[in-house]
Amino acid sequence: EPEVTQTPSHQVTQMGQEVILRCVPISNHLYFYWYRQILGQKVEFLVSFYNNEISEKSEIFDDQFSVERPDGSNFTLKIRSTKLEDSAMYFCASSEDAGSNTGELFFGEGSRLTVL
Amino acid sequence: RKEVEQDPGPFNVPEGATVAFNCTYSNSASQSFFWYRQDCRKEPKLLMSVYSSGNEDGRFTAQLNRASQYISLLIRDSKLSDSATYLCVVNRGFKTIFGAGTRLFVKA
Repeated sequence: EPEVTQTPSHQVTQMGQEVILRCVPISNHLYFYWYRQILGQKVEFLVSFYNNEISEKSEIFDDQFSVERPDGSNFTLKIRSTKLEDSAMYFCASSEDAGSNTGELFFGEGSRLTVL
Repeated sequence: RKEVEQDPGPFNVPEGATVAFNCTYSNSASQSFFWYRQDCRKEPKLLMSVYSSGNEDGRFTAQLNRASQYISLLIRDSKLSDSATYLCVVNRGFKTIFGAGTRLFVKA
């Protein structure tokens, strides 16, 4: 069964360092997403991406965050200068459809980011 | 006001019980609706989509009331394996919003 894969599964970094989280969405999917979940809290939308550009982003997704699809298969989330409050599980997701035709979001297993 | 609100629970029920979860959403422009399930420290997984006509998948029944902006999930004959957090999910364009989840514990 096709799946979304994420690397690394866990990354520990020092405050102020740059982090790149990587995702390989399901190959025929066209819409890509990043979510985060702080421990014990809800899943929060960060950004959606379609046709090589951001479709929508939340207020959490400030100038410290960026996304890229560098090579047609990987979808990356970059955090330029990590803060303690960036510590969370980051989930990548992909879907075949979006908008009014939105179907299932397929999630990766997540990348746990710990900022010290 | 939160865009998607759920009773956090926890709901503690015995095996075989019927349990119902409710959810309300605030944005009337919301287009599609889902229930996801999340096991501890795992990724969310789709349980079922929710339609105005109501839909059933085995022991699970979901209902949507657009006028009241209300979504429900009914689980019949609860199993131990149903223990998880149930997430009410609402889509609006390219943005999918998750509720905080309702925690369910099914006991033997």
